[in-house]
Amino acid sequence: AQTVTQSQPEMSVQEAETVTLSCTYDTSENNYYLFWYKQPPSRQMILVIRQEAYKQQNATENRFSVNFQKAAKSFSLKISDSQLGDTAMYFCAFMPLGAGSYQLTFGKGTKLSVIP
Amino acid sequence: DTAVSQTPKYLVTQMGNDKSIKCEQNLGHDTMYWYKQDSKKFLKIMFSYNNKELIINETVPNRFSPKSPDKAHLNLHINSLELGDSAVYFCASSQALWGEQYFGPGTRLTVT
Repeated sequence: AQTVTQSQPEMSVQEAETVTLSCTYDTSENNYYLFWYKQPPSRQMILVIRQEAYKQQNATENRFSVNFQKAAKSFSLKISDSQLGDTAMYFCAFMPLGAGSYQLTFGKGTKLSVIP
Repeated sequence: DTAVSQTPKYLVTQMGNDKSIKCEQNLGHDTMYWYKQDSKKFLKIMFSYNNKELIINETVPNRFSPKSPDKAHLNLHINSLELGDSAVYFCASSQALWGEQYFGPGTRLTVT
């Protein structure tokens, strides 16, 4: 069974600064996807970024980038130039790609507050 | 233009009642899901359907029954509601079993 651990229940960052959210996972799979989802107060779950395990290059989406360390089973999210709209819960998620096992497993989330 | 929609967004009901939550996606996706988010914000998969066929059926009480009349719809029916069923229920869809999942707005169910 896969587990996803987000060790920071809450974090805060000043507007325009950079913040990094941590995520580690435990798996025996070699092929998998990793995701970061954002859940603002509106409750909507929004996909932020995806990383394929076979890719060495870290994924980036505008101000969001990841640091994927496969050997260490670490997948952190960096938010640059933080904006008030980044205030949300952030969930790390893991999806194995083995035959018949595509279940998405979520971490418990990190509540990020961006301070003006 | 809503990609994944759920109705209702809020549902307040009494213990013992039966209720349904509807989900529709207009993305042309083959796979749909139901998740439960508890009061501590933990998200857990309940069911997954691929081309109207049940793929994942996690350990949930059999009072919960998903129904997929077609690929664009996955409804969740809950019998004999209990206080512990209070949560936010999310529907999601993906192009394939291994694809990125797109979530609906969630349904906050409160059982009194």
